Amino acid sequence: RKEVEQDPGPFNVPEGATVAFNCTYSNSASQSFFWYRQDCRKEPKLLMSVYSSGNEDGRFTAQLNRASQYISLLIRDSKLSDSATYLCSYGQNFVFGPGTRLSVLP
Amino acid sequence: NAGVTQTPKFQVLKTGQSMTLQCAQDMNHNSMYWYRQDPGMGLRLIYYSASEGTTDKGEVPNGYNVSRLNKREFSLRLESAAPSQTSVYFCASSEQTGSSYEQYFGPGTRLTVT
Repeated sequence: RKEVEQDPGPFNVPEGATVAFNCTYSNSASQSFFWYRQDCRKEPKLLMSVYSSGNEDGRFTAQLNRASQYISLLIRDSKLSDSATYLCSYGQNFVFGPGTRLSVLP
Repeated sequence: NAGVTQTPKFQVLKTGQSMTLQCAQDMNHNSMYWYRQDPGMGLRLIYYSASEGTTDKGEVPNGYNVSRLNKREFSLRLESAAPSQTSVYFCASSEQTGSSYEQYFGPGTRLTVT
């Protein structure tokens, strides 16, 4: 099993839709989890951090399921500007998943 | 605050040439990292430095060397470039605050080895 796996995507959703991505991880001891957003040909930028069961910031909600070793990212009321690749990461040495590409369509 | 800066932004090398990628951060972070990103493969850690004076190998260190020159600067050197090292290279820094240690990335260096 790879250390971090993500939904392969791409996800093509209409504006206003709710979309969720999953990320599974292999190291059950990890205490910290992150979602990053990466626009085409740009650097990753931190979107959300998760240190307990979850986190919410406006339209974005991250949930951590330690028993099943996955974290999810829920985006409500999708905007065109949400189109990007979403990377999950965990652990103190920041292991990254391959990313899930989201396209929000008008 | 510039955050994390990287130079150069673009570079083309011939096989066997050497070069150094420069990275600097002005956030007074202790930890710095070098990643490479290839299409469909996400970010892979090359080397990291948990603090000034220390460096450790990551997932893909072969063909690279690093220097943590001081707290601000962390350079990545390719001694003899190979086409397999064609990639986008990102430098990052982080600081642990309580249980939080979020990373901040530089804009990347796009390297092509012919």
